Amino acid sequence: TQLLEQSPQFLSIQEGENLTVYCNSSSVFSSLQWYRQEPGEGPVLLVTVVTGGEVKKLKRLTFQFGDARKDSSLHITAAQTGDTGLYLCAGAGSQGNLIFGKGTKLSVKP
Amino acid sequence: DVKVTQSSRYLVKRTGEKVFLECVQDMDHENMFWYRQDPGLGLRLIYFSYDVKMKEKGDIPEGYSVSREKKERFSLILESASTNQTSMYLCASSPQTGYTEAFFGQGTRLTVV
Repeated sequence: TQLLEQSPQFLSIQEGENLTVYCNSSSVFSSLQWYRQEPGEGPVLLVTVVTGGEVKKLKRLTFQFGDARKDSSLHITAAQTGDTGLYLCAGAGSQGNLIFGKGTKLSVKP
Repeated sequence: DVKVTQSSRYLVKRTGEKVFLECVQDMDHENMFWYRQDPGLGLRLIYFSYDVKMKEKGDIPEGYSVSREKKERFSLILESASTNQTSMYLCASSPQTGYTEAFFGQGTRLTVV
């Protein structure tokens, strides 16, 4: 069974701090996606990483795919209150569906 | 812009009722999915479909069925609603098999009383 484990489950920080969220698996994934979900809304895709070792930047967000394509991380620099939300990682399952981690709930306080 | 629309944001139904949740996408995507999301359990796949009239069971299909008569529409049916089906239901679509990035609807918060 392919599983994605995210850590931490909850994170509460002050505005301006840096943070890293992790997504780990014992399985190899052809790609991993990161989504952000705000309360009462559906998840929205942030990025897809495909190549082992790949690093992608989206403004203050940096995404990394592990060399073995079993793990990924999301780093946020100088967090803002607008970054508050649930961050989900997801990877392609063997049936072509998406497998999701349970998410990291981030709260950024002013 | 990519658009996945779920028919209701909030629904309240009684135990034993038959419930229909509708989802429409306007992107000509091949694949459509139904998930439920519960605190501490994350997103769990109920059913998915690769093509019209095709359906595949996900991880938790019990108590649910689906219908895909047209490419753009994927319906989730709760045959006899129960309180343990109270949840947030999310519909998603993706362009084709192997292209796994998903586009989600806004979700339906279903409460069964």
